[in-house]
Amino acid sequence: GNSVTQMEGPVTLSEEAFLTINCTYTATGYPSLFWYVQYPGEGLQLLLKATKADDKGSNKGFEATYRKETTSFHLEKGSVQVSDSAVYFCALKNNFNKFYFGSGTKLNVKP
Amino acid sequence: DTGVSQNPRHKITKRGQNVTFRCDPISEHNRLYWYRQTLGQGPEFLTYFQNEAQLEKSRLLSDRFSAERPKGSFSTLEIQRTEQGDSAMYLCASSSDRGPGTEAFFGQGTRLTVV
Repeated sequence: GNSVTQMEGPVTLSEEAFLTINCTYTATGYPSLFWYVQYPGEGLQLLLKATKADDKGSNKGFEATYRKETTSFHLEKGSVQVSDSAVYFCALKNNFNKFYFGSGTKLNVKP
Repeated sequence: DTGVSQNPRHKITKRGQNVTFRCDPISEHNRLYWYRQTLGQGPEFLTYFQNEAQLEKSRLLSDRFSAERPKGSFSTLEIQRTEQGDSAMYLCASSSDRGPGTEAFFGQGTRLTVV
């Protein structure tokens, strides 16, 4: 079947710290992988994506690499800001265009 | 383009009542999805459409839930005989079919509270 597992939060970091949020998946076929972000009071919005093995998605200083051998898509950022505080969701889209989401990881960044 | 629009944003209803939510997708998006999200959880798949055809409905959904997408434009999600366990955020998303990496665009959701 298809599923996404991501690390539980909350994750609390100081400003300018390095961020990693782990995400692993199981899928049949060749999924595309996504990270979505949900800021307080707002809807989910796309952060970055990757469509095939070894692709790297990047946006706003965030990066994630599609690792087929480890079935992972970990989210990283070298220096977080207070404005990055949000809930982050890892997701996959299968060959039938259905999206599966992880349970979300809340990030708190303190000044 | 104003994005995916959902109405109402909030709905409070008494147990046993019927409720209907509306979703207006981004124009020209042929795929439309409904998800449910509870506190501390990720979006849970309910159903999705390609144009007016409903392609899949979650096995977790009871027969009290029904969705339509007449003419392949807006969609409605109806919950009959609501229960307290139906309280959640109901999310709508739309997508085009421009390839495997095409993302889904989400609305801000309808928060349902059943009292």
